[in-house]
Amino acid sequence: DVKVTQSSRYLVKRTGEKVFLECVQDMDHENMFWYRQDPGLGLRLIYFSYDVKMKEKGDIPEGYSVSREKKERFSLILESASTNQTSMYLCASSLYGGQDYEQYFGPGTRLTVT
Amino acid sequence: AQTVTQSQPEMSVQEAETVTLSCTYDTSESDYYLFWYKQPPSRQMILVIRQEAYKQQNATENRFSVNFQKAAKSFSLKISDSQLGDAAMYFCAYRSARYMRFGAGTRLTVKP
Repeated sequence: DVKVTQSSRYLVKRTGEKVFLECVQDMDHENMFWYRQDPGLGLRLIYFSYDVKMKEKGDIPEGYSVSREKKERFSLILESASTNQTSMYLCASSLYGGQDYEQYFGPGTRLTVT
Repeated sequence: AQTVTQSQPEMSVQEAETVTLSCTYDTSESDYYLFWYKQPPSRQMILVIRQEAYKQQNATENRFSVNFQKAAKSFSLKISDSQLGDAAMYFCAYRSARYMRFGAGTRLTVKP
């Protein structure tokens, strides 16, 4: 079974803090993704990575950056957290980038910025 | 840009009955995949069913089936013999060559 794990289920940070969200997958997947999930908006793609050290912007990259130094690990970074970044963050991975490849999701990190 | 619309924020079904969740999408592409994902309360999102756009035959996975109408850009999910464990948020998703777009979700309640 594919396992995608995220470092925290719940996180509370203060405005202006630098926040790191970590994601690890154990199935040697090439592609990894970061989404944020908000009520009424579904999932929106922040960034994705198709290889180590490679990244591409998704639909809402502003205020975020990512890092992928190792194939199994994909980090989302909030350089200076703001209250409008309070959300559920989901990490996902897929074997390859083709359309038919299923994405496997982590359990999510619920981030609150106060 | 592709958009995915789920017009039913909430749905309710009696246990053992059948329910249909709606999804429409907008695209100018011809080659894509469509997915339904299930997110149970406080649990990981999992794939329910997928449909390849070039296949006319509707996908089926046990009690889950889709009604794919390519010309109408419609992709509904039918759940037969609903069970309590089917209660979840359901997301419709469209995937093209680069990445995936999701609908806003439908919260399904199953009444015993």
